Amino acid sequence: GEDVEQSLFLSVREGDSSVINCTYTDSSSTYLYWYKQEPGAGLQLLTYIFSNMDMKQDQRLTVLLNKKDKHLSLRIADTQTGDSAIYFCAERNTGRRALTFGSGTRLQVQP
Amino acid sequence: ETGVTQTPRHLVMGMTNKKSLKCEQHLGHNAMYWYKQSAKKPLELMFVYNFKEQTENNSVPSRFSPECPNSSHLFLHLHTLQPEDSALYLCASSQDLSAVNEKLFFGSGTQLSVL
Repeated sequence: GEDVEQSLFLSVREGDSSVINCTYTDSSSTYLYWYKQEPGAGLQLLTYIFSNMDMKQDQRLTVLLNKKDKHLSLRIADTQTGDSAIYFCAERNTGRRALTFGSGTRLQVQP
Repeated sequence: ETGVTQTPRHLVMGMTNKKSLKCEQHLGHNAMYWYKQSAKKPLELMFVYNFKEQTENNSVPSRFSPECPNSSHLFLHLHTLQPEDSALYLCASSQDLSAVNEKLFFGSGTQLSVL
């Protein structure tokens, strides 16, 4: 079956860059997503990348996709305390009709 | 009110109780989902509805019973739950399942504790 794996925790200092990593197993993934969950809230779509791209940049966010290694990363530049949240990686493939999510990475930003 | 709204926000129930979770979306979407979020585990898809028809039941125990009376409303009926069912239950919606790029919009969830 499909698996999406992430490390559970990342701690960075305010102003540094954060890199959150994700690996997936399904080679037929079409779109890959990053969602953010703030305390007491549901998940909110941050950004996504189509599988034929290897990079996408959106302001402070950079998504890198290595399709050969099935590795996705999210880089947050100039990390702020407001970026503290849980970040979920998710993938959509042509065979499955709903997204497959990872377990989420809790990002802690220290002042 | 806009977005995806879930009620109640918190629910404590005994194993013999019957309760229901409610989800309502005001986005004009046609697909609705129930996900289960447990600590340190992947977000787990439970049920999917598209145009009110159930399209996916991800081997969920029968003590969880979904209902989708229309495209805007989704319920999860609970009965004789177990303590391991304690989790955050998230509802989500999307335009419909035919979209190649499927963007989900989530509610804030119902935090369920089973005693």
